[in-house]
This record gives sequence, C-alpha cells and structure tokens, in this order.
Amino acid sequence: SQQGEEDPQALSIQEGENATMNCSYKTSINNLQWYRQNSGRGLVHLILIRSNEREKHSGRLRVTLDTSKKSSSLLITASRAADTASYFCATDGDAGKLTFGKGITLSVRP
Amino acid sequence: SQTIHQWPATLVQPVGSPLSLECTVEGTSNPNLYWYRQAAGRGLQLLFYSIGIDQISSEVPQNLSASRPQDRQFILSSKKLLLRDSGFYLCAWSGFGSGYGYTFGSGTRLTV
Repeated sequence: SQQGEEDPQALSIQEGENATMNCSYKTSINNLQWYRQNSGRGLVHLILIRSNEREKHSGRLRVTLDTSKKSSSLLITASRAADTASYFCATDGDAGKLTFGKGITLSVRP
Repeated sequence: SQTIHQWPATLVQPVGSPLSLECTVEGTSNPNLYWYRQAAGRGLQLLFYSIGIDQISSEVPQNLSASRPQDRQFILSSKKLLLRDSGFYLCAWSGFGSGYGYTFGSGTRLTV
C-alpha cells in the first residue's frame, strides 16, 4: 500500500520559477526521502530528512518535514529544463524498507 | 565507489516463459538489496528485500521469486510469466538499517 501521497500529481512551470511539491504520509517514520526519476530510468536519491529534522538544504533543493502534520515539501529553486522528471517521496518506517508514493510529474518549460 | 548493475534493459517474453533478471552491486559488502516493480504511471511496489545471503523476504504474494546466491548478487525469477507481470523492474541497494538512501539500478522494462 502507498504510504506517501504526493501533491500535485503534475506540475508545469516556466524555467527560472520555483517548484514546490508536497508529500503526506500516514504512519510514523524514521526518515523521509525524495527521489527523482527521468523517463525510463532508475530513481536517483536527492535528499533524506530525519524525523527529528525540520528543514534541510542541498544545492537548489530545500526539504521541510512536519511530523505533527505528517507532511513534507520539496522546493526546487530557479528551476531548469533539465529538472523535468518525476519526483517521488519515500518513507522509511520499518528496518530500512522504503514505501514510495505515486510521484509528481514536473515539466519545466524553457 | 559503489555501483549497481542491472540487466537486461529491456525484455519481451511470451506468456508462460521463465524469467531471470540479475542485479549485482560493486564496491560495498553486505548491502541490503531490493526488487521493486513500477507499473505505468504509478509508484514503486516493493517485491522482495534481502539483508543477507539466502535471506529473502517477500512483500506481496505473486508469481515471482527472488534469490541471493552471493552477497552482492540478487536475482528475480519466475517459472511461468503472466500478462500482469509486465512492468518496469528496479533493483536497489542500501546500507544496513535505517537512515540510508537507496541506489537504484537502471531498470528492466519487461513486456509479457
């Protein structure tokens, strides 16, 4: 069953704009992770935020975690056409097994 | 550095035929290994995971099986493929325990 649910399902923005993607989950977690998938390829790990962290940065990525609301957001600043991909949140709640959401399709128009 | 290899990239098999997908990891020892399946437009479904040689856990009942004959080798098999087995299969590895990101292989597109 899906633990993480991303929102929106699809997002289309202009190059240079910021992209915000949200993820909600249902049960307690050890950490939450975000992944990126280019069409027809494997997933690439972007960032991991632990349950005792509230915010984390990596380059143009900013992730927040609100465990009281069971939600997380991924912000990509100054988006580029190359950021076009599907983005997944995944929750780690049981011995390192990740449960993935259905993903968000991000399109960045040049 | 650690690398993960998964093959083949694409596979077309008739219904009722056997399946063998292989995944190997280099540059690390005793990794946790995972097989996921991704249906079109959907998220990833965990099929099997392994914390050691011959230690396989199945997440969902299905027409597939997995084996780990060596520490860094993970094999996904089926004796007789069904139409519903079509999908994108992904192998991944991680460090032991919680707190590690997964590294995924490039995936196998299986069409039955």
